[in-house]
Amino acid sequence: DQQVKQNSPSLSVQEGRISILNCDYTNSMFDYFLWYKKYPAEGPTFLISISSIKDKNEDGRFTVFLNKSAKHLSLHIVPSQPGDSAVYFCAASSTTSGTYKYIFGTGTRLKVLA
Amino acid sequence: GAGVSQSPSNKVTEKGKDVELRCDPISGHTALYWYRQRLGQGLEFLIYFQGNSAPDKSGLPSDRFSAERTGESVSTLTIQRTQQEDSAVYLCASSLGSSGSLGEQFFGPGTRLTVL
Repeated sequence: DQQVKQNSPSLSVQEGRISILNCDYTNSMFDYFLWYKKYPAEGPTFLISISSIKDKNEDGRFTVFLNKSAKHLSLHIVPSQPGDSAVYFCAASSTTSGTYKYIFGTGTRLKVLA
Repeated sequence: GAGVSQSPSNKVTEKGKDVELRCDPISGHTALYWYRQRLGQGLEFLIYFQGNSAPDKSGLPSDRFSAERTGESVSTLTIQRTQQEDSAVYLCASSLGSSGSLGEQFFGPGTRLTVL
């Protein structure tokens, strides 16, 4: 059972426009969420996180929105740049579980067209 | 550098052989994770170490897989009697792991394992 789902395997966006990457989860115990970016042949790098006590967190061009009732989060990148082209993973964790184990989605490959 | 390092970067082995993958976490990071990424798929959790606690092995796919960690330093992931379906990139990550710093994991570059 895939507890964290990224239903869009790929997304193409024009440079300067907004990129919206979506992530859904099924486990209501998840209360901490992260987004990672991965370039080919490199390990993922952390982008932004959000706790379930918030519904929005912003860092520069990156904003993550959390809709707890829908068990849905999204990452907005605006304006999109060609260097943003990468695979984006969302990850979820339950801070009340006493561990720091993360469940990752399958990733969305973003291509920003110049 | 001060990042997570993994060795080897690439490993080609024959079916049935054992392999050992190594991870050097960031100094001071108490939490260490192993993930597997098969071609075209997401990150699959394998095992998690946190300080001196018993590791969370719930993601290990079979008893051919095992991992050890010496204190809060190096970890090795061992795959015995490798099968072709074990071919993947094996990623290691570390994090501070304390309650006040929940969040960012730092990933190594991965070891690409190919089982012929």
